[in-house]
Amino acid sequence: KQEVTQIPAALSVPEGENLVLNCSFTDSAIYNLQWFRQDPGKGLTSLLLIQSSQREQTSGRLNASLDKSSGRSTLYIAASQPGDSATYLCAALFSARQLTFGSGTQLTVLP
Amino acid sequence: DGGITQSPKYLFRKEGQNVTLSCEQNLNHDAMYWYRQDPGQGLRLIYYSQIVNDFQKGDIAEGYSVSREKKESFPLTVTSAQKNPTAFYLCASSIGAVGYEQYFGPGTRLTVT
Repeated sequence: KQEVTQIPAALSVPEGENLVLNCSFTDSAIYNLQWFRQDPGKGLTSLLLIQSSQREQTSGRLNASLDKSSGRSTLYIAASQPGDSATYLCAALFSARQLTFGSGTQLTVLP
Repeated sequence: DGGITQSPKYLFRKEGQNVTLSCEQNLNHDAMYWYRQDPGQGLRLIYYSQIVNDFQKGDIAEGYSVSREKKESFPLTVTSAQKNPTAFYLCASSIGAVGYEQYFGPGTRLTVT
């Protein structure tokens, strides 16, 4: 079964810290992986999309990496700010052609 | 201002009633999707449509129905056959069917009592 796992479920860090969010997946035959941000009670905002042929993508303070052989993706957030507090979800596109979502990591950046 | 709109934001219904959730996009995207999110969980796919007048079941289609008569619109009906309908429902779209970035609407929170 193709699964996506995000650990930990919750994370608190002080403002200014660099941090890494983890996403693991069970099938190396992945087409792409997408990272989203979700604020409480809101929809998802797409942050980064990494195709299977890519190793990483960057947008501002965010950097996402993809390692198919180990079944891992990471989202690196530099110089975290209280406004970064949200739930971060990763989703993988496998051969079934449907996105499979992790359950998310709830990030709190403390001022 | 391009985007995806979902209405209403909050919806309350009595058990046994069908209810239809609206999803409209003006991004000129071919593909549209409906997901369900339960507390502390990831999203699960209900239905998706790659093109007008065509749609496929996702992982949890039982108790739901959809239509795709226009490119811009993909309404979801939650029927009385859905055993546990209270959830947060999210609509998304992408420019193509497979491998493209998905963009999400703001969601509709449905409460059935």
